[in-house]
Amino acid sequence: AQTVTQSQPEMSVQEAETVTLSCTYDTSESDYYLFWYKQPPSRQMILVIRQEAYKQQNATENRFSVNFQKAAKSFSLKISDSQLGDAAMYFCAYRSRGNSGNTPLVFGKGTRLSVIA
Amino acid sequence: ETGVTQSPTHLIKTRGQQVTLRCSSQSGHNTVSWYQQALGQGPQFIFQYYREEENGRGNFPPRFSGLQFPNYSSELNVNALELDDSALYLCASSKGPGVQLGQYFGPGTRLTVT
Repeated sequence: AQTVTQSQPEMSVQEAETVTLSCTYDTSESDYYLFWYKQPPSRQMILVIRQEAYKQQNATENRFSVNFQKAAKSFSLKISDSQLGDAAMYFCAYRSRGNSGNTPLVFGKGTRLSVIA
Repeated sequence: ETGVTQSPTHLIKTRGQQVTLRCSSQSGHNTVSWYQQALGQGPQFIFQYYREEENGRGNFPPRFSGLQFPNYSSELNVNALELDDSALYLCASSKGPGVQLGQYFGPGTRLTVT
């Protein structure tokens, strides 16, 4: 079974600075997707960014980018120019491609990010 | 485009009771997945429904059951509630079960079992 580990329960960053959240995963598969989700106090899980394992290029979405190291099974999230609205729980998640598509998201335990004004 | 909605927002039940949680999928989405998120944990997959059929299940006992309706909305039913069932229940919808299709989450239902 796949597992996702987020080793930083809490992180903090000054407004306008850059922060990196870590994530490692364990799998024997070669074809999968990785995701970062944000969960603010409103509880709604919001997709931040996703990476397809067969793509070598790191995904980028505006201020959010990832460092995907497939051999090391590492998938970190970098948030640039941090804003107060970035404060939330961040979850790293893994999903197998599978044949029938009924593969679930496997989540880590999350990292709570605080942004200091 | 209407997003994923869930009802109720909060719910308090007594051990041994039964509960039904509801999810309306986003417009155009035919697949609904349910997750349980215990306090301080990441969400855990319960099951997925695709075109009204269960299409995958996580490690949850049979007292967790579900339905999907022709309009693709879904229900999660939990019988014989236990204290450990206290959690945030999230549903997520997508255009299909394929992994390349993003899952869009609702705001969740907070269930407290006393």
